[in-house]
Amino acid sequence: GAVVSQHPSWVICKSGTSVKIECRSLDFQATTMFWYRQFPKQSLMLMATSNEGSKATYEQGVEKDKFLINHASLTLSTLTVTSAHPEDSSFYICSARIGKGLSLLGEQYFGPGTRLTVT
Amino acid sequence: AQSVTQLGSHVSVSEGALVLLRCNYSSSVPPYLFWYVQYPNQGLQLLLKYTSAATLVKGINGFEAEFKKSETSFHLTKPSAHMSDAAEYFCAATSYAGGTSYGKLTFGQGTILTVHP
Repeated sequence: GAVVSQHPSWVICKSGTSVKIECRSLDFQATTMFWYRQFPKQSLMLMATSNEGSKATYEQGVEKDKFLINHASLTLSTLTVTSAHPEDSSFYICSARIGKGLSLLGEQYFGPGTRLTVT
Repeated sequence: AQSVTQLGSHVSVSEGALVLLRCNYSSSVPPYLFWYVQYPNQGLQLLLKYTSAATLVKGINGFEAEFKKSETSFHLTKPSAHMSDAAEYFCAATSYAGGTSYGKLTFGQGTILTVHP
């Protein structure tokens, strides 16, 4: 149980184009999803927190107009990288958390990641 | 602000040897703590978690970790390393802090485990 999928697993796009990455919780409802970015040989950096039906909360330094997040349902969140540039090339990972209240402190289930390369 | 520190970015052991990956947290209130494993080009898989119950936590693949409040540590161990354990390991903590930090995971820098035959 608690499987999270991401699509696509990898994508190559040209500079200036936009790319959409999907994150789905396959067998549970995720009230909250998170989007992380991971550079080579580095840890995960939280980009934003996405709650179903409300606007995403972005971490300091993350451009909300560049990284558009939509959490349209309890099983789907999308990250759109708009007007991508080579410096946006990275490994993007989403995660999902079940429930509310004390379970806010519980584990997150991670997707397999999406490798974005902008040429 | 909460922080998580993993001592040693690289750890190398021989197959069959003890694995010890170190993690320390800084928080006035002991948070929930987690160990995740990441294989190349994959997402993170939960190994185990501490949620204020038993201080010795057993996880998957023979791993366990002990929460020591006095040392603010949550070190990961495995008695006998296997080649398949080679991966990167992340320690993480969930904040009790109020406001926008509540429930967010703070990750350590990661430790790459290499297992030699």
